[in-house]
Amino acid sequence: DADVTQTPRNRITKTGKRIMLECSQTKGHDRMYWYRQDPGLGLRLIYYSFDVKDINKGEISDGYSVSRQAQAKFSLSLESAIPNQTALYFCATSSASSGNTIYFGEGSWLTVV
Amino acid sequence: AQSVTQLDSQVPVFEEAPVELRCNYSSSVSVYLFWYVQYPNQGLQLLLKYLSGSTLVESINGFEAEFNKSQTSFHLRKPSVHISDTAEYFCAVNNAGGTSYGKLTFGQGTILTVHP
Repeated sequence: DADVTQTPRNRITKTGKRIMLECSQTKGHDRMYWYRQDPGLGLRLIYYSFDVKDINKGEISDGYSVSRQAQAKFSLSLESAIPNQTALYFCATSSASSGNTIYFGEGSWLTVV
Repeated sequence: AQSVTQLDSQVPVFEEAPVELRCNYSSSVSVYLFWYVQYPNQGLQLLLKYLSGSTLVESINGFEAEFNKSQTSFHLRKPSVHISDTAEYFCAVNNAGGTSYGKLTFGQGTILTVHP
């Protein structure tokens, strides 16, 4: 089983709909992240959380919200999806003991039509 | 603020040829540097990293990268590539301190295509 699990792996949704991407990890890490990947732009940070009570905006947080339900769970929500949010989304984790290495889930493809 | 520039968006190469994927970064503080690889239809996997110590770091599958502080570079090299190395490669930087600590900033990615 993967250490960082994302659900759903693929989703097509309509403009204006609310969509949630969920992430859970079994690595015991305290830090969790959401990134989005777009061709030619690499990965960009949406939100990050260094512990359950800590939530921070990344460079492209507009249109997104997150919830850290537990140390092992970090969900990303699009309250009203729009087509330019079509992308590949990655959840990731790290900890000080991981040598600052960030470990990624397998990604969630989201298409907004 | 920190930034990463990967100088080539695509690198085609023949099997068994050498390859270099170039990466430059900017940061006002000390950095940790990473190369991640993304095989088709998969997530990102750590290839190698520089945290401190020797400026030359190696991966288990023959890649190496050298941290050059004066040129702010962390180029990835392999002396002889295989078809299976075909993937997208991402360079990333993580500040060793300051307010950006713990967050990775990625380059735009380089697609390496190895031809038979």
